[in-house]
Amino acid sequence: TQLLEQSPQFLSIQEGENLTVYCNSSSVFSSLQWYRQEPGEGPVLLVTVVTGGEVKKLKRLTFQFGDARKDSSLHITAAQPGDTGLYLCAAPYSSASKIIFGSGTRLSIRP
Amino acid sequence: NAGVTQTPKFQVLKTGQSMTLQCAQDMNHEYMSWYRQDPGMGLRLIHYSVGAGITDQGEVPNGYNVSRSTTEDFPLRLLSAAPSQTSVYFCASSYSYRGDNEQFFGPGTRLTVL
Repeated sequence: TQLLEQSPQFLSIQEGENLTVYCNSSSVFSSLQWYRQEPGEGPVLLVTVVTGGEVKKLKRLTFQFGDARKDSSLHITAAQPGDTGLYLCAAPYSSASKIIFGSGTRLSIRP
Repeated sequence: NAGVTQTPKFQVLKTGQSMTLQCAQDMNHEYMSWYRQDPGMGLRLIHYSVGAGITDQGEVPNGYNVSRSTTEDFPLRLLSAAPSQTSVYFCASSYSYRGDNEQFFGPGTRLTVL
């Protein structure tokens, strides 16, 4: 059982559409991160959220940390083919130094 | 800065063989970690280190050993390879052990165990 559950597992949408992906847990986290991974490469950090209810924007990407710090969402406005990739959430578990990842959402944007 | 480097990029082993995956970083980072990535499983933490001489187990440590004799290097040893260890292995480093620090990942090692 994954401590961090991501949904959906796969998502294929048309260019220009909006989408939201989710990262959920029954545990409370001190912080949560979102990474994006492209084929054949390691993940790259997109954002870190640390305060319950926090919203951060990165161009067309909006990240929200749940009020109770158990969940997070990533919303993409007007998706573009360059947004294609594997989106992973990560959080410290058990100790600040043990960083675990969710299983990821694989996003495909059709031109 | 080369960042995080991993060698080899690809490796094929036979069941029972041992090998060491190399990982090095040139950013003077305290924290280093090893993950494995299997289809549909995201990244699973194998071992991590908060500084030279200090290592600890992650989610899936069985069958793997690590050591951290220097700040720069964090090798991962497979003691007796098994087909279940077929995976892509990523090494990562960050400035400190704090969970909100950015982790920088290497390009990965794709390992196949026959």
